[in-house]
Amino acid sequence: DGGITQSPKYLFRKEGQNVTLSCEQNLNHDAMYWYRQDPGQGLRLIYYSQIVNDFQKGDIAEGYSVSREKKESFPLTVTSAQKNPTAFYLCASSMTGSMFNQPQHFGDGTRLSIL
Amino acid sequence: DQQVKQNSPSLRVQEGRISILNCDYTNSMFDYFLWYKKYPAEGPTFLISISSIKDKNEDGRFTVFLNKSAKHLSLHIVPSQPGDSAVYFCAASSTGNTPLVFGKGTRLSVIA
Repeated sequence: DGGITQSPKYLFRKEGQNVTLSCEQNLNHDAMYWYRQDPGQGLRLIYYSQIVNDFQKGDIAEGYSVSREKKESFPLTVTSAQKNPTAFYLCASSMTGSMFNQPQHFGDGTRLSIL
Repeated sequence: DQQVKQNSPSLRVQEGRISILNCDYTNSMFDYFLWYKKYPAEGPTFLISISSIKDKNEDGRFTVFLNKSAKHLSLHIVPSQPGDSAVYFCAASSTGNTPLVFGKGTRLSVIA
């Protein structure tokens, strides 16, 4: 089955620690995205990548870093510089280069909590 | 400044009746609009989309209407079912597969 896999589903971090969230897709999509959702809020874009070895900051990139070494993978690192990291993190992917716009497909998310 | 607004945080509808979820946008460059449905602790699921060259798109019980002059779109669900109870997000983007901008969502509760 094609899809997006995020792991782990729940993650706990001590203050001052960096932590990496995994996102893998087997949809052969070029573009991948990371969003953050807080209670009562919409999805806010952290980083996105439209092609391997290239990525751009979204609206709330401070305190986060990403890499895109492979088409299938787009890991997100939450660094100690992120002052309020407790949130639900969602990864998505979509086709690009198509004549028509394509919807994004989402993984099931990772909930990050600070101990 | 919110570019995509869903002004109703919640909506309660009786089973079998019509659910109407509304969304307003401010960016006139947006030309692609989507609705997603989300259950707790899961990722959003794509429901239906519409491009700015159309004013209506229908898929089964779901219809999206776009009023470009009013910068307004709506999602109609007919008939509503208890399984439709979820948070619905409106999203928009401009040409070129740019990242989506999401509204804050509307929680729909369909009561049996």
